[in-house]
Formats: sequence, C-alpha cells, structure tokens
Amino acid sequence: DTEVTQTPKHLVMGMTNKKSLKCEQHMGHRAMYWYKQKAKKPPELMFVYSYEKLSINESVPSRFSPECPNSSLLNLHLHALQPEDSALYLCASSLSGQDLRQYFGPGTRLTVT
Amino acid sequence: QKEVEQNSGPLSVPEGAIASLNCTYSDRGSQSFFWYRQYSGKSPELIMSIYSNGDKEDGRFTAQLNKASQYVSLLIRDSQPSDSATYLCAVNRLRAQGGKLIFGQGTELSVKP
Repeated sequence: DTEVTQTPKHLVMGMTNKKSLKCEQHMGHRAMYWYKQKAKKPPELMFVYSYEKLSINESVPSRFSPECPNSSLLNLHLHALQPEDSALYLCASSLSGQDLRQYFGPGTRLTVT
Repeated sequence: QKEVEQNSGPLSVPEGAIASLNCTYSDRGSQSFFWYRQYSGKSPELIMSIYSNGDKEDGRFTAQLNKASQYVSLLIRDSQPSDSATYLCAVNRLRAQGGKLIFGQGTELSVKP
C-alpha cells in the first residue's frame, strides 16, 4: 500500500483567512514532505520532516506553518496568503530521509482570492 | 546550468513505438535517480528508481544510468496513448539534514493512436 491521503481536495480562501491542509500516511514512513507546484512547473520543496522533526525548511514565508503531530500526520497551516500562493500543494512520504523514493498524495488545489 | 535538465517537449511518438526520455544532472555526488509520471491535473507517481550504472527494467519501462556522463534516461517500449503524460526526472541532493530531490522541468510525452 503506497497511499498518501490529503484533505481537502480543493480549497478557496481569502487573504485574511486561516486554513489548514492535512496529509496522512500509514506506510510506516518516517519522512514527510510538503511541496508546492505551479502549472507546467515541477514540484518545489517547501518542508521536510524526518522522524517528526523539521529537518529542512526551504526559506518558506512564515505565512506557511508546518506541523507534524505524529509519524503518520502532517499539517500545513495557512494564514494571510497572497494570490500568488495559489497552487497545487502536494504531500509526499518516504521510508526515511535517506531513502528518497517519495510517494505523493493527490494534492490540495488551493486558490487564494 | 540547471541542476537537472530535461527537454520540455512535447515529444510525440506513434502508438507502439519506443519513447526515449533524457535527463542530465550536474551534481557528480548524486546517488539516487528517479522517474515520475504526472498526468494532467494529478500528482506525480513514482515509476522507476535507479542507483547504479546500467539498465533497470520494469515491464515496458527501462531506466538507464551513466554516472560518468551524468545522464539518466527512461525508455518506454510499446508506447500506449495512456502513457501520454509529463515525465519528471528527479535526482537526490544529500544534505546534512537529510536528502532532497531536485526535479527537472519535465518532458511532456504525447502518444498518438
């Protein structure tokens, strides 16, 4: 089973809203990732959690706040976003931070109005 | 020079032909190489991983790696219209905090019936 689930599938939010994206995996993976993908571009890494600790932050603006409550769950809290933050947000997981066979969830399509 | 380079395409092949997708990378220390398939509006799906020089076959897919030339390729035999997608080459970059994938821009493949 290589399933990563993400909720919601679609999200529309205003620039003053606070919302959260959720990602879940039950494969026993210990590394989880958030990516942002714009149309016709490759995924762009935002954050990496390894063994529930934030190991990589790719200089992402503070309006994006990740959280890893346990080894199966990953959240991305959103606040005061800009229209240019509209994108597909992808969660991925891998067995460990050294094993980079990453399995992606279906993504959340975010539109900021 | 981009870290991972792919021809953006589109690459158009007739049904039943061999599709050849190419990727070059700049970091000689890279050790893990991946091919992802992404259908329009969907998330990337891992289809091949390769770690040592030579060929690796999985069904209709063959990945080829030449570390001396810093080149990795994906061959798709007996191409089907359902193979029409964007193919992303990804290469690892190891960091003290853990590895990350560097994606190429992707090659769009169109298989014509």
